[in-house]
Amino acid sequence: EAGVAQSPRYKIIEKRQSVAFWCNPISGHATLYWYQQILGQGPKLLIQFQNNGVVDDSQLPKDRFSAERLKGVDSTLKIQPAKLEDSAVYLCASSSYWTSGAGSYNEQFFGPGTRLTVL
Amino acid sequence: LAKTTQPISMDSYEGQEVNITCSHNNIATNDYITWYQQFPSQGPRFIIQGYKTKVTNEVASLFIPADRKSSTLSLPRVSLSDTAVYYCLVGDITGGGADGLTFGKGTHLIIQP
Repeated sequence: EAGVAQSPRYKIIEKRQSVAFWCNPISGHATLYWYQQILGQGPKLLIQFQNNGVVDDSQLPKDRFSAERLKGVDSTLKIQPAKLEDSAVYLCASSSYWTSGAGSYNEQFFGPGTRLTVL
Repeated sequence: LAKTTQPISMDSYEGQEVNITCSHNNIATNDYITWYQQFPSQGPRFIIQGYKTKVTNEVASLFIPADRKSSTLSLPRVSLSDTAVYYCLVGDITGGGADGLTFGKGTHLIIQP
């Protein structure tokens, strides 16, 4: 099964420029996540989609970050304008989920990430 | 949201069993416990998930006491390739998504020859 695809893998921009990241989740996964991981820290959830609806965007800096998931499949994350502190790895993940009498199961599959450097 | 506390770092030797404990005192009724592994320059990778008692798969075991206020990830016979950061997450997965799962700083596990 193909994994989560992300592009580009690396991006260098100057502050105040805009940038966009693309993610293609695993086929059939309804839930898609965007994380920001700053060097030395754990991933921080920016936004979570269930199909093409937003479940959680409480930590998304909405004055400069936006995300969309058209048709409940691919997703894009945009930063406009970028700041120096936006330098980080942006990870996309999708999850499979099932529930039964034995309980629930949710596994997130992560893409390779996009390393953004803002100069 | 349940907050987790785990050691910042641990080290061990090849062939040893490693146990990493995570505290989550305010875990909620619907919360599950999930562990992820992350190597440098890669996204996290799912290791194991459980709700209570013991869960075992081909790479690890997860022990959860009756009060569920802590959990222990057990890695049997570690090798150098197990050197990574390990994250303990607690959250409600019953709704279809990983609601409220928060990655902390994780435990940096270093395996020596």
